[in-house]
Amino acid sequence: DTAVSQTPKYLVTQMGNDKSIKCEQNLGHDTMYWYKQDSKKFLKIMFSYNNKELIINETVPNRFSPKSPDKAHLNLHINSLELGDSAVYFCASSRTGVSTNEKLFFGSGTQLSVL
Amino acid sequence: GESVGLHLPTLSVQEGDNSIINCAYSNSASDYFIWYKQESGKGPQFIIDIRSNMDKRQGQRVTVLLNKTVKHLSLQIAATQPGDSAVYFCAENMGGSQGNLIFGKGTKLSVKP
Repeated sequence: DTAVSQTPKYLVTQMGNDKSIKCEQNLGHDTMYWYKQDSKKFLKIMFSYNNKELIINETVPNRFSPKSPDKAHLNLHINSLELGDSAVYFCASSRTGVSTNEKLFFGSGTQLSVL
Repeated sequence: GESVGLHLPTLSVQEGDNSIINCAYSNSASDYFIWYKQESGKGPQFIIDIRSNMDKRQGQRVTVLLNKTVKHLSLQIAATQPGDSAVYFCAENMGGSQGNLIFGKGTKLSVKP
């Protein structure tokens, strides 16, 4: 019954590895997002997809590649992980897009620790 | 606006008191604002929103006030309960063709029983 679900909840890995975080929403929303929350709790948008199309791509290293197989899924693949990638990553969705003043529904987060 | 400073602002209140959490936003053209609550180990959860054509909106035990003149937003929680303990974020929609929700740096609310 979880509206926005992401897996895994915890991810511990070595520097240089490649990892993926999966996200699914069952709300029928058109737009999905990835946010990064650092150790100071600051939330910053990384990507936004509307109906499988990339809408927002903030200044994020190209080691991060989002993939949206359909509008209910937005996965995040990270290549060559670095220590600075350690953070909590949140997936979110909205009914349409943020430009139409829609609130976001967030998943419970994936805590990534790069050793 | 974007986060500055090293420490998360903290507000400590007694159970039953009213809480006021403040937020300064950055863009005078922002037209939509949201308050989120984030409990430990969870994702941000929507509390209340307000559009720029309003200056006050009330929900259940919560009230949001918007002062566009000084670009200030506040969240008032009535009769604060231990379950209200969390980090609270304001967010502004910076607008534009894509839209972009920008989060403030958060305030940690601690409720003492």
